[in-house]
Amino acid sequence: GAGVSQSPRYKVTKRGQDVALRCDPISGHVSLYWYRQALGQGPEFLTYFNYEAQQDKSGLPNDRFSAERPEGSISTLTIQRTEQRDSAMYRCASSLGSSDREDEKLFFGSGTQLSVL
Amino acid sequence: GENVEQHPSTLSVQEGDSAVIKCTYSDSASNYFPWYKQELGKRPQLIIDIRSNVGEKKDQRIAVTLNKTAKHFSLHITETQPEDSAVYFCAARRSGYSTLTFGKGTMLLVSP
Repeated sequence: GAGVSQSPRYKVTKRGQDVALRCDPISGHVSLYWYRQALGQGPEFLTYFNYEAQQDKSGLPNDRFSAERPEGSISTLTIQRTEQRDSAMYRCASSLGSSDREDEKLFFGSGTQLSVL
Repeated sequence: GENVEQHPSTLSVQEGDSAVIKCTYSDSASNYFPWYKQELGKRPQLIIDIRSNVGEKKDQRIAVTLNKTAKHFSLHITETQPEDSAVYFCAARRSGYSTLTFGKGTMLLVSP
């Protein structure tokens, strides 16, 4: 595709509900990242995939957060039993991820704005 | 882990003036330093990056400088224009790692 695509664009949910956020990376991009961006703050790392393998999940706040990328392309970030503090913009990013240094460049999606009421 | 500090948090300049945004990082093993521009309601977009084997890089009106010894890097925008108004984020990545650590951002306002 032309860029990193995320859906839904907005998600409003009630506290305690589960939500699933989807990311479709740029075609051919091996590496996929999830970040969370609070209003007025920089993106905060959550987790990272290389192909289908979750290489780093050190940024996930707690065990209510999980992510998968079963076929090495589309990824889903799931938040179980949502809480108000989970409200934020969730951004996906991808990169080519090969050994070529130019492929380190990260491209962000438009994000999913999550509001937990 | 890596910690990136960014200053100032807001910067107001007149059109045509220069703007400088500064960042410091904590991990001496970091070797990749990108800058992102985020317009209101839009996604962050990469505008320039620099690697630790280079001291300065320019692309038209923007330039980035890196001081490895002091562990700081700066974004310089010359001849600012109103369309340069946005939030700018610096970031750093440690060698051998794939994740970027971002600063808190600088809101740049360019007045006509």
